[in-house]
Amino acid sequence: GIQVEQSPPDLILQEGANSTLRCNFSDSVNNLQWFHQNPWGQLINLFYIPSGTKQNGRLSATTVATERYSLLYISSSQTTDSGVYFCAARGNTGANSKLTFGKGITLSVRP
Amino acid sequence: DAMVIQNPRYQVTQFGKPVTLSCSQTLNHNVMYWYQQKSSQAPKLLFHYYDKDFNNEADTPDNFQSRRPNTSFCFLDIRSPGLGDAAMYLCATSSRTGGPQYFGPGTRLTVL
Repeated sequence: GIQVEQSPPDLILQEGANSTLRCNFSDSVNNLQWFHQNPWGQLINLFYIPSGTKQNGRLSATTVATERYSLLYISSSQTTDSGVYFCAARGNTGANSKLTFGKGITLSVRP
Repeated sequence: DAMVIQNPRYQVTQFGKPVTLSCSQTLNHNVMYWYQQKSSQAPKLLFHYYDKDFNNEADTPDNFQSRRPNTSFCFLDIRSPGLGDAAMYLCATSSRTGGPQYFGPGTRLTVL
């Protein structure tokens, strides 16, 4: 199946700093999503972005499908941004055709 | 607001005692998924329904079953829970395969 790798595994920021989270995937995709898992375990949709660039407030994401990576940008980070960020990708065919999650990036934003 | 609802949010069961987790959705989506997420791991797909068509993942244990009586509801049945089945169980929906998936709040299962 499709392989999804996220980096870095852990990230510590001071409040107000900016950060970039990376997701690499091993094959062409028809679904690429970024999620934030809150302290209660719910996966919150951030972006559905199989290609292109999107922005939502302080967050933005870019997926370069031809080079098989996606980036999530967090600007002016806040303590409430802390948590685990998952990238998940779904390939086009066969064994790749289920949403496969990376291992996640644990972000800690300190006041 | 349209949403995905899971009940209960916390479930405690005894080793070997059958348990059912429930998921409902007001999004009218065709596809419903069940994922298992163990502590500090990524969610792992167990199975999904496209309408009434059931699709099981090859590595999902036989102990796990699912029912979808109508578009809105989907159930996860664990026939004989073991200690290793303690996890967060997440339900998700999408309007089409390949479309964005929307997750419910999850049910955290404890097995004593």
